[in-house]
Amino acid sequence: NAGVTQTPKFRVLKTGQSMTLLCAQDMNHEYMYWYRQDPGMGLRLIHYSVGEGTTAKGEVPDGYNVSRLKKQNFLLGLESAAPSQTSVYFCASSDRDVRVGETQYFGPGTRLLVL
Amino acid sequence: AQSVTQLDSQVPVFEEAPVELRCNYSSSVSVYLFWYVQYPNQGLQLLLKYLSGSTLVESINGFEAEFNKSQTSFHLRKPSVHISDTAEYFCAVSTLEGTGGYNKLIFGAGTRLAVHP
Repeated sequence: NAGVTQTPKFRVLKTGQSMTLLCAQDMNHEYMYWYRQDPGMGLRLIHYSVGEGTTAKGEVPDGYNVSRLKKQNFLLGLESAAPSQTSVYFCASSDRDVRVGETQYFGPGTRLLVL
Repeated sequence: AQSVTQLDSQVPVFEEAPVELRCNYSSSVSVYLFWYVQYPNQGLQLLLKYLSGSTLVESINGFEAEFNKSQTSFHLRKPSVHISDTAEYFCAVSTLEGTGGYNKLIFGAGTRLAVHP
C-alpha cells in the first residue's frame, strides 16, 4: 500500500496563477483533509471531506476550493495564488471521525512558494 | 474552544540523554490525545495516542506519554534518545466538542527535538 500520496512535491507559482494539488489514498478511507503548515503555527485545517461527493470548510478556507469526485482522491485548488499561500500543504485521511480518536494518515506534503 | 500548548519550541539534547516534551491542553470535556512525529521532509505519522484506560501509553520505539487529567497534560518522554529521534513532535487533541464544528484534530505548534552526538 502506498498510503497517502501527494502531487506535486514542490511548486513555484507567480501571484495570480492557479494550480491544483492532488491527494490520493489507497486505504478506502471515508474522511480526507487538507492542512497547511506554517512555522510556529502547527497545522491548520483548510477543507475536509466526510465522504465521496462531500466537502466542508475548515478553519482557513479562504482562497482555496476542493473537490472529492472519487473516494480515493481529494483535490485542493488555488484559483489566484497569493504570497500568503506560501506554505507546506499536507493531505490526510482517516477511516472514521477523528473526533472519536481515529488516527489520521498523512501524505509527504507539497511545498508551495508563491512569488 | 479547545487549545493545545507545547511549552518548548526547540529542545536540544545529547544522544543517550533522557528527554521530555511538554504538552498541555485546555478542555472541559473528555478528550483523546495524540503525539505525531514529523521526520525531516516527511509527513506526520502517529507516534502514540491515549483513548481511555491506562494513563500511560507507549510507542514501539521507546517513547511514552502519560495522561494527567488534573494537570491537563500529556507529556512525552524517552529515557535515552538516539540521533534518529531528531524530528518535530506535535501534540494534538480531538474531542466531540469545542472544535467549532470542524471534523479535525487540534494541533500544538510543535517541538523540534534536536539530538546531538
